[in-house]
Amino acid sequence: NAGVMQNPRHLVRRRGQEARLRCSPMKGHSHVYWYRQLPEEGLKFMVYLQKENIIDESGMPKERFSAEFPKEGPSILRIQQVVRGDSAAYFCASSPRGTGPSGNTIYFGEGSWLTVV
Amino acid sequence: AQSVTQLDSHVSVSEGTPVLLRCNYSSSYSPSLFWYVQHPNKGLQLLLKYTSAATLVKGINGFEAEFKKSETSFHLTKPSAHMSDAAEYFCVVSDYGSGNTGKLIFGQGTTLQVKP
Repeated sequence: NAGVMQNPRHLVRRRGQEARLRCSPMKGHSHVYWYRQLPEEGLKFMVYLQKENIIDESGMPKERFSAEFPKEGPSILRIQQVVRGDSAAYFCASSPRGTGPSGNTIYFGEGSWLTVV
Repeated sequence: AQSVTQLDSHVSVSEGTPVLLRCNYSSSYSPSLFWYVQHPNKGLQLLLKYTSAATLVKGINGFEAEFKKSETSFHLTKPSAHMSDAAEYFCVVSDYGSGNTGKLIFGQGTTLQVKP
């Protein structure tokens, strides 16, 4: 049973280019979360999606960042016109249902490291 | 609003001695609390979670944590450290409640160093 799969694991982009990070949730999971980890910091929530719906995007920067989780295929985190400050590790996580009051566990992928040069 | 504070940014112990990583939380609701471990350049692995059942929670690799509501604490312990325990540890609270979606809120992390 494969875990949460993220690709690419490492991505280098020049300033102004676009970065696309992909996340395939665990089998049977319909909830996906994206988190960002800046150097020397903890993870910060970005966005929570279900299939074809954005549930909570309160952590997404207002510009240049977007996320989707289509009916078919992986979830995509897209960063347009990248800047050096976007350099970070981006983690995807999935759960079979929302975390809810019972604290359903979410499972993390191994992350995608974006470096902007 | 929910939040979590890890009281130590770095903890250093000798192999075979006890480990204590401290975490305090703030929550308006009955919280769900987690500890995750991250090895260098790796993803996060769940060590244990508390979801209003037993206050003493046992996790993987010999770790456990005790939920103390009166102290709003959820400290992580292990009786005897192993070299392989050296990693970054995150205390996490779920923000579920009153319209919140249950996203996880992470502490700043504690780096555990284990000396031979």
